Amino acid sequence: DQQVKQNSPSLSVQEGRISILNCDYTNSMFDYFLWYKKYPAEGPTFLISISSIKDKNEDGRFTVFLNKSAKHLSLHIVPSQPGDSAVYFCAASGGGGSNYKLTFGKGTLLTVNP
Amino acid sequence: DGGITQSPKYLFRKEGQNVTLSCEQNLNHDAMYWYRQDPGQGLRLIYYSQIVNDFQKGDIAEGYSVSREKKESFPLTVTSAQKNPTAFYLCASSSGRANQPQHFGDGTRLSIL
Repeated sequence: DQQVKQNSPSLSVQEGRISILNCDYTNSMFDYFLWYKKYPAEGPTFLISISSIKDKNEDGRFTVFLNKSAKHLSLHIVPSQPGDSAVYFCAASGGGGSNYKLTFGKGTLLTVNP
Repeated sequence: DGGITQSPKYLFRKEGQNVTLSCEQNLNHDAMYWYRQDPGQGLRLIYYSQIVNDFQKGDIAEGYSVSREKKESFPLTVTSAQKNPTAFYLCASSSGRANQPQHFGDGTRLSIL
């Protein structure tokens, strides 16, 4: 039972354009959502997060949008740069308790072409 | 520099052997986590610890064991009972408070000889 889904295994965009990565979740108890970036043979790097009381959070070129009614979030990268090429993981936590475990999607490989 | 250190980066195990992966953090974080990543898969939680001398099983704990004797350290032992141990193992830590991200080490790749 996959509670966090990233339905696009890969995405290719041109440098300078917008990259939009999508994520859907099924557990309505999730209340904190994160995006991580990962290069091969390295650990994930935290990018940006959003709590369920907001619908948008920005940090430089990165913006995360949350649509609670649709149980959907997206990461926008504008403008995209070749160094953004990596696997992006969506993650969520919540659902009761205080352990703040993260549930991860399977990731989307973003390729930004020069 | 504060961070999470995993060692070794590459580890080889013979059939029937137990191996221990090291994870140390100097972020003064209360919570620590172990994940496993397989090709084309997301990260799956093996064990986590919210405080010293306490830990809980994650989603795929069978064949693994952990200890949390010190706040800074959370070693993972992959036992011979783990039938498919070849994977990329990631350790993470967080403050343990709500709405705080986990921060990851650079991982250990375990392979079976």
